[in-house]
Amino acid sequence: SQTIHQWPATLVQPVGSPLSLECTVEGTSNPNLYWYRQAAGRGLQLLFYSVGIGQISSEVPQNLSASRPQDRQFILSSKKLLLSDSGFYLCAGTGPNTGELFFGEGSRLTVL
Amino acid sequence: AQSVSQHNHHVILSEAASLELGCNYSYGGTVNLFWYVQYPGQHLQLLLKYFSGDPLVKGIKGFEAEFIKSKFSFNLRKPSVQWSDTAEYFCAVKGTGGFKTIFGAGTRLFVKA
Repeated sequence: SQTIHQWPATLVQPVGSPLSLECTVEGTSNPNLYWYRQAAGRGLQLLFYSVGIGQISSEVPQNLSASRPQDRQFILSSKKLLLSDSGFYLCAGTGPNTGELFFGEGSRLTVL
Repeated sequence: AQSVSQHNHHVILSEAASLELGCNYSYGGTVNLFWYVQYPGQHLQLLLKYFSGDPLVKGIKGFEAEFIKSKFSFNLRKPSVQWSDTAEYFCAVKGTGGFKTIFGAGTRLFVKA
């Protein structure tokens, strides 16, 4: 079965510091991969998605970027964090020909 | 643009009560529809999905949903809820052949024992 590993689970960072959240996938090859941000009462906001190595689509202009250096690795980054970047970030993927998402356990980022 | 609207943000029910959570979507084409659930302390997981065929789909734990194309709706139902159904429920839509899944704001369900 497909599994998403996401780390770190919790992160507290000062404003202006860099960010790197990592996500790896097991149990499938060539997945579509996604980064969402989940806010209470606002559902999941799609930030980035990738259909292959080096292919990144951005949904919301912001202070974040994403990269996909390997088929099963997806990274969310920032050069300088803002207070507004605080939130709960979810990595997700789709298996081949299914369309349904499977999720990691999330990373809670607090920017102080 | 795609959007998903969930009618209730918070629902409180007693055990054995019936449940219906409303979901409407906006999308200019054929869609795949999903309900995901997040139990306390757990990650999001698929509850049920509609791709094509019978518009009444059944999922895990006795849940079902009905796709009504003319109303752009995909409401979630369960005849008799249990305390263990306490969770947050998300409706989601993806264009057929597309890559993006768009989520509603979620409905927090609390079931009183």
